[in-house]
Amino acid sequence: EAGVVQSPRYKIIEKKQPVAFWCNPISGHNTLYWYLQNLGQGPELLIRYENEEAVDDSQLPKDRFSAERLKGVDSTLKIQPAELGDSAVYLCASTATNTGELFFGEGSRLTVL
Amino acid sequence: DQQVKQNSPSLSVQEGRISILNCDYTNSMFDYFLWYKKYPAEGPTFLISISSIKDKNEDGRFTVFLNKSAKHLSLHIVPSQPGDSAVYFCAASVRGQNFVFGPGTRLSVLP
Repeated sequence: EAGVVQSPRYKIIEKKQPVAFWCNPISGHNTLYWYLQNLGQGPELLIRYENEEAVDDSQLPKDRFSAERLKGVDSTLKIQPAELGDSAVYLCASTATNTGELFFGEGSRLTVL
Repeated sequence: DQQVKQNSPSLSVQEGRISILNCDYTNSMFDYFLWYKKYPAEGPTFLISISSIKDKNEDGRFTVFLNKSAKHLSLHIVPSQPGDSAVYFCAASVRGQNFVFGPGTRLSVLP
């Protein structure tokens, strides 16, 4: 069974440019998370989807970040415009409802110059 | 305010000995806890979990202990192996949703 797939693995952009990250969760997983991980810190929740509905986006900086999960499968996280402080690893995770365990992708490392 | 704390940024242990990684939490509503291991340039991988109805869960070399009154959990690895060298994250949730992660502890197992 394929795991959580994320792309791109690495992205380098200049500040004020837009960037998008894509996530394909494990088949059948209803719940999808986007986490942000800064160097030396643990993952921090950005948004949680149940199927196509964003049920918790309270930690998402909505002035520049947006996310969507069309048809309740793949998801895209966008930043526009990017700032220097957005340099981090963006992790996608999925889980089947109520099983608890999160399955993470390898992450997308963003560097903003 | 950090809801999940891992106060030891790093830990070094000799191969074959026990590794003990600690985690404290502040939210008494947390009822489900996970431990993850992370190698460089990879996503976190699940290790072991424990529900608040238990005080111990064991899986091979890994055992997690939960002390609800102290809001403390620990991960024991026995015996430690060089391949266990990684960053370990503790995570807590309410009803298995919106996991809150600690900052991680870097474990080095020395040959």
